[in-house]
Amino acid sequence: NAGVMQNPRHLVRRRGQEARLRCSPMKGHSHVYWYRQLPEEGLKFMVYLQKENIIDESGMPKERFSAEFPKEGPSILRIQQVVRGDSAAYFCASSPSGAGGSPQHFGDGTRLSIL
Amino acid sequence: DQQVKQNSPSLSVQEGRISILNCDYTNSMFDYFLWYKKYPAEGPTFLISISSIKDKNEDGRFTVFLNKSAKHLSLHIVPSQPGDSAVYFCAARKGNFGNEKLTFGTGTRLTIIP
Repeated sequence: NAGVMQNPRHLVRRRGQEARLRCSPMKGHSHVYWYRQLPEEGLKFMVYLQKENIIDESGMPKERFSAEFPKEGPSILRIQQVVRGDSAAYFCASSPSGAGGSPQHFGDGTRLSIL
Repeated sequence: DQQVKQNSPSLSVQEGRISILNCDYTNSMFDYFLWYKKYPAEGPTFLISISSIKDKNEDGRFTVFLNKSAKHLSLHIVPSQPGDSAVYFCAARKGNFGNEKLTFGTGTRLTIIP
């Protein structure tokens, strides 16, 4: 299966801990997007990255959240000092091109629960 | 500021009939629209898309209609099948490089009644 791979599928953290979510894009895709879905809501854009570059982080909270997509390895969404409000499903998507008619393809998400 | 709206949280349709899901948007800069289908505990799956230069796009049982003047699009599924039961999200984006984020609606839960 060459789809978007996210791990872990479920992550439980206590308040104040760090959460690291990983995303491997589809083969041949160099554009990665992170979205967050709160219960009973739609997906909200967080950040758009290409290899080694953040293109758009307008949806990312200014504090505690960071994202990277290194030259080698998966994209990482990092949440420091987690709080209860960070509990959500975090989805990663990838596309082969940043423009034109390429749809974004999504992984199955990481469900983050904060105790 | 909800720029993409799906005003019907849920919809029930008899198997074999047509399902029509609606979506409205407010940002006239959007020029590309997509529909995604989502099952519980899975990620959204791309269904069909339409560029703002078109008013209709068809793929098998799925057709998307775009009315730019009304800032409205709809997804038609015909005939509806039990496997179509899922949450459907409408999404929109500006197509220019550097503006690739998708703006999603809140979804419509479609239930197909056997």
